[in-house]
Amino acid sequence: AQSVTQLDSQVPVFEEAPVELRCNYSSSVSVYLFWYVQYPNQGLQLLLKYLSGSTLVKGINGFEAEFNKSQTSFHLRKPSVHISDTAEYFCAVSDLWGTGNQFYFGTGTSLTVIP
Amino acid sequence: KAGVTQTPRYLIKTRGQQVTLSCSPISGHRSVSWYQQTPGQGLQFLFEYFSETQRNKGNFPGRFSGRQFSNSRSEMNVSTLELGDSALYLCASSEQPGDDTEAFFGQGTRLTVV
Repeated sequence: AQSVTQLDSQVPVFEEAPVELRCNYSSSVSVYLFWYVQYPNQGLQLLLKYLSGSTLVKGINGFEAEFNKSQTSFHLRKPSVHISDTAEYFCAVSDLWGTGNQFYFGTGTSLTVIP
Repeated sequence: KAGVTQTPRYLIKTRGQQVTLSCSPISGHRSVSWYQQTPGQGLQFLFEYFSETQRNKGNFPGRFSGRQFSNSRSEMNVSTLELGDSALYLCASSEQPGDDTEAFFGQGTRLTVV
């Protein structure tokens, strides 16, 4: 079974400061890893995904994440945040050997960018 | 290209009633998944449909059911509503099943059970 832990439920950060949102996963098999963002009253939007290859993945809106297999982590980073980055961020995994699109989500991290 | 459309956006129902939610995937997408989002439990997988067949099912009671039509549109039904069913229900579509394919989410249906 897979599980995802997002260690911080809320992260306040000042505008233009760097941010890291932490994500650890547990799985008995290889997985694909994803970060999604959810703005108020909206669905989820894919930020980036790791399937294979380079462990540093770049996504939209200046975000990037690094896959660390030994630490089973997939932390999300941005060097300089903007007010518009205020949102809920979800880390998710899916089973490499799964039969379909079944994601296991973390409980989310609420990022608040302070002007 | 239009995104994933979920209707209605908001719904208020009484305990014991049943409800049907609708999801129209992106044109050309044949896989549709449903998730329940609550503050306490986060996002939980309900089920996935592809070519009118349920491929995966999450750990939810039988009161939760779904189906997919030949045009890939999907509906989910919840019978005998309970207060705990109050949640945001999200639908996601993708071209085909496969954990490396991108899933596009709709804006969700906010269900409130009173």
